[in-house]
Formats: sequence, structure tokens, C-alpha cells
Amino acid sequence: GAGVSQSPRYKVAKRGQDVALRCDPISGHVSLFWYQQALGQGPEFLTYFQNEAQLDKSGLPSDRFFAERPEGSVSTLKIQRTQQEDSAVYLCASSMDRGHNSPLHFGNGTRLTVT
Amino acid sequence: AQSVSQHNHHVILSEAASLELGCNYSYGGTVNLFWYVQYPGQHLQLLLKYFSGDPLVKGIKGFEAEFIKSKFSFNLRKPSVQWSDTAEYFCAVNNAGNMLTFGGGTRLMVKP
Repeated sequence: GAGVSQSPRYKVAKRGQDVALRCDPISGHVSLFWYQQALGQGPEFLTYFQNEAQLDKSGLPSDRFFAERPEGSVSTLKIQRTQQEDSAVYLCASSMDRGHNSPLHFGNGTRLTVT
Repeated sequence: AQSVSQHNHHVILSEAASLELGCNYSYGGTVNLFWYVQYPGQHLQLLLKYFSGDPLVKGIKGFEAEFIKSKFSFNLRKPSVQWSDTAEYFCAVNNAGNMLTFGGGTRLMVKP
């Protein structure tokens, strides 16, 4: 019954460290999205999964970013060799249907700070 | 690439004042339009959406938005705001691809 859950809520990483951000979507939701929200800006699309298939990764800013959803439920966004410009809130959203036919349900996000 | 502009970054109103938040987008084809709201300490949630049909769309909590195709606009309105409407509001556009393109957001503060 709960909404989209993201963990950790806050993550501080030293430059060069790898991080992994977790998203637990609403059970049964087909679509899962990752967005990046820099301070003072709107969310920007990173990647989209339909069940376990990553159908769109056009928004991933570099090959240091990798996302997976191996069983079509929980998803992990991994950032390798973090840089200061990676500091942002990472939002996960899920929806019942494919694409945007049904509303997106957002999690509270993970705030990543790279020092 | 499409873009979404929200020209008002910060808006301060007194309770009972009327609200209009501007949203313009750049894509010229068929679009789906959304307004999302983020109350303090909470997650983004859908306020209203337009896919087709009546260009005047009504959402939750007394909000409405009007799609004007010729102006590439989807402005959000509320006749009388309440203190509880204090939040950040995001306009977003989808053109049948996989992504939502969001505007930069408008922070609304309603003074009691």
C-alpha cells in the first residue's frame, strides 16, 4: 500500500567514490523512471524501464551512470567515480501503465552530495 | 529538443488572492501536458493533466489549467489561494516519447 520508496534519503560521497541508489516502486507498476533534479531546477529525465527492460537511457549524462531493474520491480541507479556535478536529488517514479498514460508516482528522492 | 519555460520563479500572494502561473513549451506537435506540485517535505504529485478534448482542465484542490495551442501555453490558475497551497509547482510536457520534460518550477508562498 505504500508509495514509491527510495533509499538512502541522503548520501554524501567523496569525489571518485561509487554510489548505489535504490528505488522500490509501487507493487505491480509496469513503468519506472529515474530523474535528476539539480538545485533550483526541475527534474531531468535519466532513464525509463518497462518491467525489466530498459527502453530508454537517453538521459544518462555519462557512461558513469548505470541503472538496472533485473526482476521488473526494484531498481538501482549506480554512479561510478562520482563528480561534484553529480550532486543533485535523484527521483524515482513509477506508473501502472506503459509510458505516461497513467500518473507518475514519485518517491521522496535521494539527495546526493559529492564533496 | 522540447523545452518548458516557467517564467515566474517565485510568487508571493496573500490568502484569497487569485493565482495564475505561466507555462510555455517549445514542441510544435501533439503534446500531453501536466502540472505537478511538491508540498514542503513531500514528494511530487500530480495536480492535473491534459491529453485531449476540453482545453480547460480541472484538477484537485480547485486548480485548473487552460491549454492554448496557438500560444503553446498551459497556464495554471486558482481563483482563491489558501495558505496550504504553499508549494513548488512544476509544469511538464510529454510528446509521446518516454520522458517528461519539466519546467524549472515556481515557488508559491501564500501569506496567511
